[in-house]
Amino acid sequence: DAGVIQSPRHEVTEMGQEVTLRCKPISGHDYLFWYRQTMMRGLELLIYFNNNVPIDDSGMPEDRFSAKMPNASFSTLKIQPSEPRDSAVYFCASSFLQGADTIYFGEGSWLTVV
Amino acid sequence: GENVEQHPSTLSVQEGDSAVIKCTYSDSASNYFPWYKQELGKRPQLIIDIRSNVGEKKDQRIAVTLNKTAKHFSLHITETQPEDSAVYFCAASKGYSSASKIIFGSGTRLSIRP
Repeated sequence: DAGVIQSPRHEVTEMGQEVTLRCKPISGHDYLFWYRQTMMRGLELLIYFNNNVPIDDSGMPEDRFSAKMPNASFSTLKIQPSEPRDSAVYFCASSFLQGADTIYFGEGSWLTVV
Repeated sequence: GENVEQHPSTLSVQEGDSAVIKCTYSDSASNYFPWYKQELGKRPQLIIDIRSNVGEKKDQRIAVTLNKTAKHFSLHITETQPEDSAVYFCAASKGYSSASKIIFGSGTRLSIRP
């Protein structure tokens, strides 16, 4: 398997623009996670899905953030409108089980909002 | 909810010496404790994990210890090498459950001095 695949790898956008990050989890994994990593806040769990259903979105910072998983092989994280404080590395990850299983991270999407 | 504290935030050791990173957790129901390594510019990857039914686990130069009574666990790296330089994250969860989240510590940046 190619692992968790994310796109884009790098994005620079202007404040106010819409940003869409994409993820393809490892085939057969039932859980998909979106994390945000910054120097100040470390590795934060934003939302996770089980079998395409959002289970916990308590980490989503505000209404500007939304995530969807229309099928088992695709998820998006959308920021609209984007702000400079959204600049971070966004990791998508997947696992077969939840809670006590290896989490496989994608390479991350490096977002800069200017 | 669960809270995981990790220290030190930065650690510098001489090549060949040992490094120890410590974490504490707040929820006594936690029973799964993974460690992830993140090299510069790369994704976090699982390096070792321990479950609450054992007190210690070793894998070549790395070992983890768990003290359930005190609610703390540690990562030990012996005979450190340049490739050990990375950020290390500890984490904790309450085991297999769709509602069980893996909570990460804030990370330790380990530097190996030649």
